[in-house]
Amino acid sequence: EAQVTQNPRYLITVTGKKLTVTCSQNMNHEYMSWYRQDPGLGLRQIYYSMNVEVTDKGDVPEGYKVSRKEKRNFPLILESPSPNQTSLYFCASSRTGTGGGGYTFGSGTRLTVV
Amino acid sequence: DQQVKQNSPSLSVQEGRISILNCDYTNSMFDYFLWYKKYPAEGPTFLISISSIKDKNEDGRFTVFLNKSAKHLSLHIVPSQPGDSAVYFCAAYDYNFNKFYFGSGTKLNVKP
Repeated sequence: EAQVTQNPRYLITVTGKKLTVTCSQNMNHEYMSWYRQDPGLGLRQIYYSMNVEVTDKGDVPEGYKVSRKEKRNFPLILESPSPNQTSLYFCASSRTGTGGGGYTFGSGTRLTVV
Repeated sequence: DQQVKQNSPSLSVQEGRISILNCDYTNSMFDYFLWYKKYPAEGPTFLISISSIKDKNEDGRFTVFLNKSAKHLSLHIVPSQPGDSAVYFCAAYDYNFNKFYFGSGTKLNVKP
């Protein structure tokens, strides 16, 4: 089954404790991206990657890091989480340049930073 | 500044009637417009899209209309079913930046 898999689904952590949210896709997509969803703000892009070893900032990159060492994996790293990073996070992938087909999204990771 | 806006946070419709969800955008260079549907505890799923060179696209009960002069698109669901109750996100795609811009979502409630 074609899918994007995120882990964990739920995470509660404390301020300053480094964490990683994993994302993996099995569709051989070149393009991968991370979004956060907040009430009234919709989906905002954090980082994206157009292919292996190519990453770039989205609209809200502060406090986040990513890496793309393999085509299928695109982990999101929070080096020192803060309460304002409490949010619902989605990883997504697509073939590059296929805007009409849209993204395939993961099921989401609900992060709470206390 | 949001380039894609959904001004109605929620919409309630009776089963069997038409649901109309609206979306406005600011950038006339967008290449595609898309609608996603999101159930609680799940990721958004792609529903339907329309190219910027068209004004209508239909897929079963779902039709998307694009009015480029007004920079407005809408999603019509006919007839509405209780299973359509979800949050609907409008999105626009910019080919030059390979980027999607999302609206804030409209929560649709279809009452039996």
